[in-house]
Amino acid sequence: QVQLVQSGAEVKKPGSSVKVSCKASGGTFSGSGVSWVRQARGQGLEWMGGIIPMFGTTNYAQKFHGSVTITADESSNTVYMELSGLTSEDTGVYYCAKGLGLRWIESWGQGTLVTVSS
Amino acid sequence: EIVMTQSPATLSVSPGERATLSCRATESVRSNLAWYQQKPGQAPRLLIYGALIRATGIPARFSGSGSGTDFTLTITSLQSEDFAVYYCQQYNNGPPLTFGGGTKVEIK
Repeated sequence: QVQLVQSGAEVKKPGSSVKVSCKASGGTFSGSGVSWVRQARGQGLEWMGGIIPMFGTTNYAQKFHGSVTITADESSNTVYMELSGLTSEDTGVYYCAKGLGLRWIESWGQGTLVTVSS
Repeated sequence: EIVMTQSPATLSVSPGERATLSCRATESVRSNLAWYQQKPGQAPRLLIYGALIRATGIPARFSGSGSGTDFTLTITSLQSEDFAVYYCQQYNNGPPLTFGGGTKVEIK
């Protein structure tokens, strides 16, 4: 079974960017969709956007248009999420998650804590 | 954007009792609804998709119902491991996907 393995925790300054990776371990993304979901401390789940790696097609939540870029490297079975213009409100855990297209989510990465602090 | 509203925010239930969680959409999502369970410090876990289809390995005490704008997740005979936060999520017509705010099921 494919496991999603994310990169480690990051501490960033306000105004900077962060790039988080998500690798499919033990397999490939195949025709799956990969979403990025954010969770601020003590808060709910927020869908940021997603990609179908096989086709490279992306979709973003309106809130994140222009600040989030999701890319895929099929050769390394890795999906990336880059968030720019960081503020303290971007502090939280970022999950990559895989599903059938961009619909329900069947499996999740372990999460990556991003802390934005001066 | 379709907004998902869950109620109640917190549900206090005794072990062995039934829990009924609600999720409402601002417009019809047909049966394109999923439910997730999240425990502290863990990633969410898929419970239900297609409004009523249990995901692989999910116990039969979890059941989903509803279509259109109103949905219910029922947990019969709550076990200790079921105390968690539950989220609904719609995926009608593909992205954007939207989640409800969550319902915390706590021990009464």
